[in-house]
Order: sequence, then structure tokens, then C-alpha cells
Amino acid sequence: QTVVTQEPSLIVSPGGTVTLTCASSTGAVTSDYYPNWFQQKPGQAPRTLIYSGSNKHSWTPARFSGSLLGGKAALRLSGVQPEDEADYYCLLYFGGAQNWVFGGGTKLTVL
Amino acid sequence: EVQLVQSGAEVKKPGESLKISCKGSGYSFATYWIGWVRQMPGKGLEWMGIIYPGDSDTRYSPSFQGQVIISADKSISTAYLQWSSLKASDTAMYYCARPDRGYWGQGTLVTVSS
Repeated sequence: QTVVTQEPSLIVSPGGTVTLTCASSTGAVTSDYYPNWFQQKPGQAPRTLIYSGSNKHSWTPARFSGSLLGGKAALRLSGVQPEDEADYYCLLYFGGAQNWVFGGGTKLTVL
Repeated sequence: EVQLVQSGAEVKKPGESLKISCKGSGYSFATYWIGWVRQMPGKGLEWMGIIYPGDSDTRYSPSFQGQVIISADKSISTAYLQWSSLKASDTAMYYCARPDRGYWGQGTLVTVSS
């Protein structure tokens, strides 16, 4: 069973920078995994921030960026705002069987 | 504008059947894979499976194979998730999503309780 691993929790100060990562049990994450990043706040549906690794939606704040970093997918937040406190999930694609797998999520606290 | 609009909340008893829906608009529904996601109370997101409405090619995540049925009717741009016999452990929020661009439905809350 494929496992996708994220940091369970991270703390960042307002105005700071933080990087969330997303690793695969099968090895290095590449662009072929089409990493997606979602933000979810309590009581709300997930909202996509990044798709296919680094692509942003029109609603994605400029302070969010996606990349590949050291064999993992990464989500970088620069100039963190209090409203960025949320759960963040990554989603990776594992090919032929159209199999997608979520990471366990990272709870980001802005303190 | 791409939209995925899901059917409303459901309250069911154990053993009952259920079919929830997800209607796509603003794009060619038949030509994009659409998936279903479970989120149990207080827990993370789980990928359940995915369907290509153009030919109904369907793939299930191992944990959900045999537990649910995913289907689609491209003539009305709607995907479905169904259960034949609900359990209390099926209580969750269910989302449909297009993973290619990360479009999401608003979610359907399913509550199974005697």
C-alpha cells in the first residue's frame, strides 16, 4: 500500500516563511506525480492552492508556491498571514490505475 | 466557470442504500476524470476512486474496492457514489473532485445512525 507522508504539524510566526513537504513511500516525487496542494479550514471544503506541482489557481494568494525539493513535493508559504492557519493536504498521482493518494495532512499553526 | 455541485445532506439508517450525486458544469464533463473523497469526522482526506465519464472506466482505491460503487451519466453531466448497505462507519463528508485542476464539490454529509 502506497503511503504519502506529510509533517503532522508545523508552527510559524506571522510574516515568516514555512515549507511543507510531501513524500512518497515509492521513492522520489517527480512532476509525473502531478502534486496537488489543498488548504482546508474547519467546517469548509478543501480549496486547491496548487495543481500539477506548481500551477496556481486565480484564487491562490501569491505567497503560496509549489515545487519539487529533495525528492519531495513542497509547498512554500512566504509572509505567512494569520488566516493561513489551516490543515494542508497533498495529493499525488501514481500512474496507470488512475490511483491518487492523499498525504495525512499538516496542521499549520500561526503563532 | 467550472463547478461541481453535489446533492444535499442525507440521514440514513444502517443497512439502507444511498446514492449521492455530483453535477459538473462549465466544462466538457465526459472528457475529465472525476473522483470521490471521504473525510470522516475529525480525520484527513481519503481518495476513494475515480471515473472517466466518457467510457465509465472506473478505478477504486484498495480500501474502497467492493465497498462503494462509482458511476456516471455523461448525458446529464453527473457522477454518483452509492452504497448498497450503509454502516455507521460510513458517516462522513464526501466530496467529488477533478484532480487534474483541483476543482472540488461543496461536499455531501452522510450520517448513518439507528
